[in-house]
Amino acid sequence: DQQVKQNSPSLSVQEGRISILNCDYTNSMFDYFLWYKKYPAEGPTFLISISSIKDKNEDGRFTVFLNKSAKHLSLHIVPSQPGDSAVYFCAASTYNFNKFYFGSGTKLNVKP
Amino acid sequence: KAGVTQTPRYLIKTRGQQVTLSCSPISGHRSVSWYQQTPGQGLQFLFEYFSETQRNKGNFPGRFSGRQFSNSRSEMNVSTLELGDSALYLCASSLGPSSRGANVLTFGAGSRLTVL
Repeated sequence: DQQVKQNSPSLSVQEGRISILNCDYTNSMFDYFLWYKKYPAEGPTFLISISSIKDKNEDGRFTVFLNKSAKHLSLHIVPSQPGDSAVYFCAASTYNFNKFYFGSGTKLNVKP
Repeated sequence: KAGVTQTPRYLIKTRGQQVTLSCSPISGHRSVSWYQQTPGQGLQFLFEYFSETQRNKGNFPGRFSGRQFSNSRSEMNVSTLELGDSALYLCASSLGPSSRGANVLTFGAGSRLTVL
């Protein structure tokens, strides 16, 4: 049962433009969300988090938006850089537990 | 500050064998989680240990087991290997459930298991 879904397996964006990665979840008990970036042959690297008490969180070029009613979150990268090319995973959990449900990932390609 | 260390990085086994993977968390991190990554499947939660106790468990058969030692280091074991167990096994550590911001997982580079 896939409780977290990333429906776009890949995304291609021009350098300098905005990248928008989407993530949907089905479990209304999820109240804590993370985004990770993964390069080949490396473990996932934490990017940004958001809890359900917020609808937006920013960290430099990265902004995560949460729409609880739609059970949808998105990661915006502005401006996109070639070094951002990687696989991006969203993950969801309830705040008191370390059991995270991950999406299947979106491969972002930022073209120079 | 050293990151999460996983050993071995690569290994090849045959069906029916067993394997043990090791994970050393970041110093001060008391929670260790294990995930399996297969192509197109994302990361599937295996289990989580905190203070030597399994706190959470995913939907994997009993062939998959783990443990945590008093120094927070963790091992996972897979017995009677099957072809479908070929995957990247990722270990992640975090401070623990009682710390604010504790739920940010820091991952190791993974152990790539190939079952022939």
